[in-house]
Amino acid sequence: DTEVTQTPKHLVMGMTNKKSLKCEQHMGHRAMYWYKQKAKKPPELMFVYSYEKLSINESVPSRFSPECPNSSLLNLHLHALQPEDSALYLCASSQEAAEYYEQYFGPGTRLTVT
Amino acid sequence: DQQVKQNSPSLSVQEGRISILNCDYTNSMFDYFLWYKKYPAEGPTFLISISSIKDKNEDGRFTVFLNKSAKHLSLHIVPSQPGDSAVYFCAASGSQGNLIFGKGTKLSVKP
Repeated sequence: DTEVTQTPKHLVMGMTNKKSLKCEQHMGHRAMYWYKQKAKKPPELMFVYSYEKLSINESVPSRFSPECPNSSLLNLHLHALQPEDSALYLCASSQEAAEYYEQYFGPGTRLTVT
Repeated sequence: DQQVKQNSPSLSVQEGRISILNCDYTNSMFDYFLWYKKYPAEGPTFLISISSIKDKNEDGRFTVFLNKSAKHLSLHIVPSQPGDSAVYFCAASGSQGNLIFGKGTKLSVKP
């Protein structure tokens, strides 16, 4: 089973709202990732968690707050977003946060900020 | 500055023929490369990978070739099928597993 699940599939939020994106995997992977993908662009890395600890933050604004409650779950808390934050948010996992391990992606959450 | 480049935004191929998707990279420290396929409104699906100690890796209809001296890799799909129509991303793996993607090539396979 190489499934990564993400909820919700779609989310519309106002600029003053607080919402959370959820990601789950049951492959026993110890690395989890958040990517952001804008239309007609490649996915761009936001955060990397390794063994439930944040190992990479790609200078993401503080209105995005990641959380890894356990090795199977990854959350992305959203607060005071801007319309330009509208994008597809992808979660991925891999066996380890290192080279030579393929990442498995979830279907993504399509976020629209109004 | 783009570290992984896919210079062809689109490619159209007849069903049954070979599809060749190309990718170039600039960082000679990259040791592991991956190809992903993406349908609209879905997450990328892992296809095939290659490490720098090899020059070829094959999995069914998919073969990836790596030319380290030219910093170039290519994905061959033989025979191409209409279901292969999607956007294909080339990616390099950083030392912490972070993927650096190219901009993608949209493949259309015509029946």
